[in-house]
Amino acid sequence: EIVLTQSPGTLSLSPGERATLSCRASQSVSSSYLAWYQQKPGQAPRLLIYGASSRATGIPDRFSGSGSGTDFTLTISRLEPEDFAVYYCQQYGSSGTFGQGTKVEIK
Amino acid sequence: QVQLVQSGAEVKKPGASVKVSCKASGYTFTSYGISWVRQAPGQGLEWMGWISAYNGNTNYAQKLQGRVTMTTDTSTSTAYMELRSLRSDDTAVYYCAREGSGSQPAYWGQGTLVTVSS
Repeated sequence: EIVLTQSPGTLSLSPGERATLSCRASQSVSSSYLAWYQQKPGQAPRLLIYGASSRATGIPDRFSGSGSGTDFTLTISRLEPEDFAVYYCQQYGSSGTFGQGTKVEIK
Repeated sequence: QVQLVQSGAEVKKPGASVKVSCKASGYTFTSYGISWVRQAPGQGLEWMGWISAYNGNTNYAQKLQGRVTMTTDTSTSTAYMELRSLRSDDTAVYYCAREGSGSQPAYWGQGTLVTVSS
């Protein structure tokens, strides 16, 4: 089973700052079947990025994904107030494991 | 628009079974697979498995093999997830999610809280 490790666990930033979230896989993720989700309290997850770098429909261009193989990154170029949330990566090429999440909180 | 509407909250005793439904609308049901994901209180997301709505093929998480069954009813565009031999650590919000264009879970139901308590 592929294990995904996200870092950092918590990111404390101010609105307008850049956020860089990491997701590392224990083995190569096939065909970049790597997605990123945002989740706010009491809500279902929201798909942001799939295929490692493709933005989902309606997702602002301040969100971008990159990486391949075992190392992936989600970047939020300038944090808006609504971006403070928990972010999960998921590989869906071999079963569908999630990372443990990164909380982006207001500094 | 794509909508997934899940059944209501459940309270079960340890050892019992639960069956959660996920009714789809706004698209051709048999064209996309459905994943099931759960989230224990205050915890992260856990992938439970996937079912093809086209042919019923399934892929379950190893830790749930033997306790979980996913099915679909194409006549009503509804997916089901049954979990047996419930334990207290099965207490969670259970989500269904439809695939997007890249096979990733893209459209999510509202979630169903299942509480396991004696």
